[in-house]
Amino acid sequence: LAKTTQPISMDSYEGQEVNITCSHNNIATNDYITWYQQFPSQGPRFIIQGYKTKVTNEVASLFIPADRKSSTLSLPRVSLSDTAVYYCLVGDYNQGGKLIFGQGTELSVKP
Amino acid sequence: EPEVTQTPSHQVTQMGQEVILRCVPISNHLYFYWYRQILGQKVEFLVSFYNNEISEKSEIFDDQFSVERPDGSNFTLKIRSTKLEDSAMYFCASTLGTSGRGEQFFGPGTRLTVL
Repeated sequence: LAKTTQPISMDSYEGQEVNITCSHNNIATNDYITWYQQFPSQGPRFIIQGYKTKVTNEVASLFIPADRKSSTLSLPRVSLSDTAVYYCLVGDYNQGGKLIFGQGTELSVKP
Repeated sequence: EPEVTQTPSHQVTQMGQEVILRCVPISNHLYFYWYRQILGQKVEFLVSFYNNEISEKSEIFDDQFSVERPDGSNFTLKIRSTKLEDSAMYFCASTLGTSGRGEQFFGPGTRLTVL
């Protein structure tokens, strides 16, 4: 399973776009990139998953360059309720699907 | 919207006692997991379960831990003789696919406090 590196914390203001970049230099061919969100005292919640290029859903976009050694989670127009810890995970989910969490990025959205 | 449920929300126990944490995964899901999170630390994988047997387990999941799916709906984690360092939030998760890929749905967690 590839090791991931992401910023420990980020600050933003309501209404701004937030981009959180994760590096995963040792990503393997079969690895997918997945992002989860966690609020205090709650279980992680799936945000988005991708393999290459760009993926978009109703809450976020995921940008993955051609070499796949990094990825960027983009949150459009954040609100106070987006204050949470965001985890980037990389793994070959054909092998049972266990999730290996890093320390995550603590995003603080201010008014 | 279907969700994973866990009981109890908070369990307090004495060191050396046995505890059973209960989870009800989403009904049509096939892969089940237990994770734990010590206060202020990252989420750690404990075990995955598929087709009525353990699929994978971490180093944390030693002989003191066991999992069981006693019926068609419940999925339990048993800690045989609790230690102080077992104090943590324990999260159950489930996923639909047979490969374990894709979105995992997490429950709200059980906070275990060992005194």
